[in-house]
Amino acid sequence: RKEVEQDPGPFNVPEGATVAFNCTYSNSASQSFFWYRQDCRKEPKLLMSVYSSGNEDGRFTAQLNRASQYISLLIRDSKLSDSATYLCVVRGYGQNFVFGPGTRLSVLP
Amino acid sequence: DTAVSQTPKYLVTQMGNDKSIKCEQNLGHDTMYWYKQDSKKFLKIMFSYNNKELIINETVPNRFSPKSPDKAHLNLHINSLELGDSAVYFCASSQGWGTNEKLFFGSGTQLSVL
Repeated sequence: RKEVEQDPGPFNVPEGATVAFNCTYSNSASQSFFWYRQDCRKEPKLLMSVYSSGNEDGRFTAQLNRASQYISLLIRDSKLSDSATYLCVVRGYGQNFVFGPGTRLSVLP
Repeated sequence: DTAVSQTPKYLVTQMGNDKSIKCEQNLGHDTMYWYKQDSKKFLKIMFSYNNKELIINETVPNRFSPKSPDKAHLNLHINSLELGDSAVYFCASSQGWGTNEKLFFGSGTQLSVL
């Protein structure tokens, strides 16, 4: 089993749609959780950290369920510019950052 | 100012050659990394250095040798390049080794071995 797994995608959604991505991780000692975004042929960039109580940044909402070892990302009112690959990332204390395989999103006009 | 910069952006070379990729960060971070992203787009850690000391060395052929002259630089030297080494290599840095540290990436080096 991979350490971090994500919805395979791709997700093709119309502008304005709400889309949700799921991620599960296998290491129960993981302590830090992030969503990164990677545009085609570019480097990954931090989208947001994920906190236990859940957190929101504009149209983006992240949730963490430690008991189920599950992370989610919700994007509301999708824009064309949201088209990218979304990477779930987890890290245990003193351990490296482990990336999921990514979920590709295409927002269509 | 670019926070994490790596050169070159593109590297095309023949099998058997030796090549290097350079990385520098001006964020004052203590920890630097090399990641490899293969054709399936999976990002995998190769090495991690904390304050010039090797912390992580994943299962990587010993043809790959990282070198950190100081904590702001982490270079990657590759000997006897093989076709399977073709990938995008990303340098990254983080403030330290604790939790809640965020990872910042360079723009990547696309290596093509012919």
